[in-house]
Amino acid sequence: NAGVTQTPKFQVLKTGQSMTLQCAQDMNHNSMYWYRQDPGMGLRLIYYSASEGTTDKGEVPNGYNVSRLNKREFSLRLESAAPSQTSVYFCASSEALTTGTQYFGPGTRLTVL
Amino acid sequence: GENVEQHPSTLSVQEGDSAVIKCTYSDSASNYFPWYKQELGKRPQLIIDIRSNVGEKKDQRIAVTLNKTAKHFSLHITETQPEDSAVYFCAASNGYWGTYKYIFGTGTRLKVLA
Repeated sequence: NAGVTQTPKFQVLKTGQSMTLQCAQDMNHNSMYWYRQDPGMGLRLIYYSASEGTTDKGEVPNGYNVSRLNKREFSLRLESAAPSQTSVYFCASSEALTTGTQYFGPGTRLTVL
Repeated sequence: GENVEQHPSTLSVQEGDSAVIKCTYSDSASNYFPWYKQELGKRPQLIIDIRSNVGEKKDQRIAVTLNKTAKHFSLHITETQPEDSAVYFCAASNGYWGTYKYIFGTGTRLKVLA
């Protein structure tokens, strides 16, 4: 039981490049989330998926898109990376309907030059 | 919009002393309040949580208290140890959207001095 996994662990992009961050969970959770973490700003929600087939914007969705590929997988795409998107990205999942506890993946450290 | 304020931003205590971190939330519909610990370079991990129908919850050296009227909740760590040094985040949420969407506080860096 791996919990929540994320790939890649580290990535360096040039301004304007695109990339997709992958997230998968094996806990049969309904809900999944993408956060970014910046120094002094805590964790901010980018997008979330309450259940398979649905996605919604969080606090800071601009510049990002998501896909809930199936119940297990939730990807985050940067279409045209900007230096302001340099951050650590965490994926999380929760059972949702009966409990709110979110379990986090190990994170992806992204640098945009 | 919804907001969670967390204080202090940094806290230094001597080993063995107690530490208290406080959070205030704005959304009166919030009904679930988790606390996460994040060690350097690691993922946030849940250490304790409380629901709105409970005023206090304890797990060994850590406890959380909730005052719904004042919309405050606090984390209490007793007999602190060096391994308690980390960043602690509070969050508030409810299941209104069909999922427990969290609003996080900005974190408290706790340093336990040996």
